[in-house]
Amino acid sequence: AQKITQTQPGMFVQEKEAVTLDCTYDTSDQSYGLFWYKQPSSGEMIFLIYQGSYDEQNATEGRYSLNFQKARKSANLVISASQLGDSAMYFCAMSPPPGGKLIFGQGTELSVKP
Amino acid sequence: DSGVTQTPKHLITATGQRVTLRCSPRSGDLSVYWYQQSLDQGLQFLIQYYNGEERAKGNILERFSAQQFPDLHSELNLSSLELGDSALYFCASSPAGGGVYNEQFFGPGTRLTVL
Repeated sequence: AQKITQTQPGMFVQEKEAVTLDCTYDTSDQSYGLFWYKQPSSGEMIFLIYQGSYDEQNATEGRYSLNFQKARKSANLVISASQLGDSAMYFCAMSPPPGGKLIFGQGTELSVKP
Repeated sequence: DSGVTQTPKHLITATGQRVTLRCSPRSGDLSVYWYQQSLDQGLQFLIQYYNGEERAKGNILERFSAQQFPDLHSELNLSSLELGDSALYFCASSPAGGGVYNEQFFGPGTRLTVL
């Protein structure tokens, strides 16, 4: 069965520093998608970044990058130059074939200190 | 603003009651997904509709049902409510019906409290 594991319930980072949020996944499928979403205290879910299993390069979107290590089945999110507004819950998710549903991890709560 | 709207924002009701949650997808999106977020279970996929037809089913209880209407809005019906149904219910939409690259845009959620 497919599963997403986020082992860090909470993380602290100093403003302007980089932080890595861990995500490992379990699947026997060859084709899948990996996503990261941000959930601020207001509750909405905000899409951050996507990585396809066949993508050879790591995805980047502004200050977000995804460190994809397929052999290790990990898809860590790297946030560079953290800002106070980055304080939120972060969820890693997987889209297994045939696609459609997202399977979410338990989330990591990130707190950015001034 | 994702373009996905959900009503109501908050809902407080009693055990045994029935409620309807409503979702309007982004303009042009044909798929609607429902998710439940609770402290116990985390974020769980419930069901997907694509252009009016049920496409995929997840951990949706028999007391719950959903439908997608010709104008593509969707409703999630929850009946015989129990305390454990208290959760944040998200609707998401996407243009396509499948594919592993299927960015989903989430609505603001409906917070259901069952007393």
